[in-house]
Amino acid sequence: GENVEQHPSTLSVQEGDSAVIKCTYSDSASNYFPWYKQELGKGPQLIIDIRSNVGEKKDQRIAVTLNKTAKHFSLHITETQPEDSAVYFCAAGGGADGLTFGKGTHLIIQP
Amino acid sequence: DTAVSQTPKYLVTQMGNDKSIKCEQNLGHDTMYWYKQDSKKFLKIMFSYNNKELIINETVPNRFSPKSPDKAHLNLHINSLELGDSAVYFCASSLTGTSDTEAFFGQGTRLTVV
Repeated sequence: GENVEQHPSTLSVQEGDSAVIKCTYSDSASNYFPWYKQELGKGPQLIIDIRSNVGEKKDQRIAVTLNKTAKHFSLHITETQPEDSAVYFCAAGGGADGLTFGKGTHLIIQP
Repeated sequence: DTAVSQTPKYLVTQMGNDKSIKCEQNLGHDTMYWYKQDSKKFLKIMFSYNNKELIINETVPNRFSPKSPDKAHLNLHINSLELGDSAVYFCASSLTGTSDTEAFFGQGTRLTVV
């Protein structure tokens, strides 16, 4: 079955700096890679996603890159702000196992 | 106007009790899900359901059962609650039953078994 590994588990950056979260997946049939943000006391919410026919996608300060050959994808947040503090989850879908989530990264933005 | 709503938000109960969590989606989606999030924030799918097919994660004890009165609702029933059932439970929905579409999550139900 699909296995998604996510690193780091905790990431602390200074406000204004960039943050990068990395994920790998195992099922070559996976073709959909969403990123979810979970704020305290709330459910996860999609912030950006990428499909396997695209190598990079950007939405304002957020970008995601995908390397299908190496089976890894990354989330990049530039010019971090206090409201970016949250738990971020990567996931892989489209394969046989349904949507499989990574274990999450707790992003802390230091003022 | 909440897309996926679940009740209650908090649930505290004693071991051995039976409880239910309700979920409703107003998005017109075909598929609904239940996820369990443990204290380490790990998100694991428990069930996915559309009105034709129920897929159960084989690791879920049979004390847990989903009940769907209609396409917009998927309730979670838990019998004989155990301490290890304490977690946050999330309902979600997606337009189709394939795993390559966005899942919309409810706000979660924090279940505490004492």
